[in-house]
Amino acid sequence: KQEVTQIPAALSVPEGENLVLNCSFTDSAIYNLQWFRQDPGKGLTSLLLIQSSQREQTSGRLNASLDKSSGRSTLYIAASQPGDSATYLCAVSYSGGSNYKLTFGKGTLLTVNP
Amino acid sequence: DGGITQSPKYLFRKEGQNVTLSCEQNLNHDAMYWYRQDPGQGLRLIYYSQIVNDFQKGDIAEGYSVSREKKESFPLTVTSAQKNPTAFYLCASSIEGRGTYNEQFFGPGTRLTVL
Repeated sequence: KQEVTQIPAALSVPEGENLVLNCSFTDSAIYNLQWFRQDPGKGLTSLLLIQSSQREQTSGRLNASLDKSSGRSTLYIAASQPGDSATYLCAVSYSGGSNYKLTFGKGTLLTVNP
Repeated sequence: DGGITQSPKYLFRKEGQNVTLSCEQNLNHDAMYWYRQDPGQGLRLIYYSQIVNDFQKGDIAEGYSVSREKKESFPLTVTSAQKNPTAFYLCASSIEGRGTYNEQFFGPGTRLTVL
């Protein structure tokens, strides 16, 4: 069974701190991996997509890495701000006929304190 | 202003009723998806459609039905056969085809509550 796990489930940090969110997956034959942000009661906002052939992607203060051999991805947030407070979701699609399908982790709830 | 719209934002259903959730996109995306989100669980795929007039069941299709008569629209009907329909429903879309890697974009969601 293909599973995606996110640790920790919740994280609270002071403003300005650099932080890392973790995502692990059970099958290394991935097609892509997406990181999303979700604010309470809202839809998902796509942050970064890493293709299976890539090792990292960057957007502003965000950097996502991918290590297929170990089944891990990390989302690095630099100089965190209170506006970064949200739930961060990791989702993986796998190669083969089902590469449309995203398998989601349960998310990490991030709180950045002023 | 391109994007995905879902309506209504909140929906209340009495037991035994069918209700339909709307999803529209003006991104010219080929594929559309419906997910369900419950507290403490990851999103789960209900149905998806890669092309007009074609759709496939996801992991939890029982008690749901969809149609894809237009590229822009993918409505979801929650039938009375769905025993626990209270949840947050999210619609998504993506471009199909080589090189796109099927990046999915999501709408704002519909919260369905059974009274």
